[in-house]
This record gives sequence, C-alpha cells and structure tokens, in this order.
Amino acid sequence: GQQVMQIPQYQHVQEGEDFTTYCNSSTTLSNIQWYKQRPGGHPVFLIQLVKSGEVKKQKRLTFQFGEAKKNSSLHITATQTTDVGTYFCAGRDSNYQLIWGAGTKLIIKP
Amino acid sequence: GAGVSQSPRYKVAKRGQDVALRCDPISGHVSLFWYQQALGQGPEFLTYFQNEAQLDKSGLPSDRFFAERPEGSVSTLKIQRTQQEDSAVYLCASSFGFLGANVLTFGAGSRLTVL
Repeated sequence: GQQVMQIPQYQHVQEGEDFTTYCNSSTTLSNIQWYKQRPGGHPVFLIQLVKSGEVKKQKRLTFQFGEAKKNSSLHITATQTTDVGTYFCAGRDSNYQLIWGAGTKLIIKP
Repeated sequence: GAGVSQSPRYKVAKRGQDVALRCDPISGHVSLFWYQQALGQGPEFLTYFQNEAQLDKSGLPSDRFFAERPEGSVSTLKIQRTQQEDSAVYLCASSFGFLGANVLTFGAGSRLTVL
C-alpha cells in the first residue's frame, strides 16, 4: 500500500543547532501536512503545503514540498528547548486519505 | 466546544473486558476520525465518519472494534473483549470540511492499558 517514509527516527542536537526531518512518498500526494506532538501530548497542526515546490516559513521553521509532490522536509534553525517533540508529516493521497509518517523525535542534548 | 474532548483520559482494563471511549468533536465539524497510536509510533487510522455516516472503517484491526456517531456529533469507539495488544492511545480528530479538505484538530487522547 501507499507509504510515507520519514527519516530520521530520532535526532539529537545541541540547543542552537539545526534540525531537519524528511518525508518521502511512494506516490504523488495532493498535499502534505505537518504536525508536532509534544511529549505526552497530542498532534498539533503546523502547516499544509499544496503546490509543487512550495516553501513556507514560520519563524525558525522552514517547510518544503518537492517539485514532484512526493517529498517534503521540515528544517528548524537554531533549535530551542521549546522545539522538543515528535514531528510528523501526513500526506494526502489520491483518495484523500491522510498517510502518516512514523515521526522524527527531536531531542535536545543536555 | 472550543476543542475536541475525549474521555476517559486514562482507562485500565482487565483482559477480556469491554471498553467505551468517547469523543466530543468541535461543534459543527463534519468529519471525525479515530486513530490508534502505540508508544513511539505515528497515528494509525482506524475509522472515519462524515456526519453520522461511517464512510471508512478499513483501519479497524478486528471485529472487536466498533465505532458509532449516531447523531453526527459525539462518537464512541467500543472495544470488546480487550486484549493486551489493544493497549495504546486512542486519538480522536475532527475537521470542518469533508474528507479531502482542511486540517485535523486532535483531542488529548484516551490512554488504554490492558492488563
């Protein structure tokens, strides 16, 4: 079946370092959404990308949607402790189902 | 309401017991989804309602799982004869639009532990 692969599973960074997570779909997506889940919390919507090659920024977060609408990335510049959590991508397929990635856990080294 | 409300937040059940998990979506939201999230994993789709109609139940893992939304608002996920592998957080999410539109607002989840 259709899958969205998300890597890495974990990323340990020092506070102030950058963080990136990548999602790749086996098929073309109509759009892709990103969610953040804090430890012990529930997923919270961050952004939706719809157009081929789209780039959107939210303060230190940069989201990209690939030209072929099969891949996406989230980049955080100069991580802060408030960024800790798991970041999920969720791609919408041709049947309008949301296919979720397994998430990338951002861990700030003490 | 202001957000998606789920109850109970925590449920401990003995193996073989039946459980019922409630979701109260945002008022006026047409679409309602149930997801299962195991520890350290992403949400796994269980079922989808558009108003009171259950349009997709392909993610329900067995016939022990049953969901309903009789009046198109509150939904209940029922698990019969619970097994240890049913232990997970059950997330409910709603959205204003139909299946292909809008984004999901999640509730805080119901954490089920089956002993």
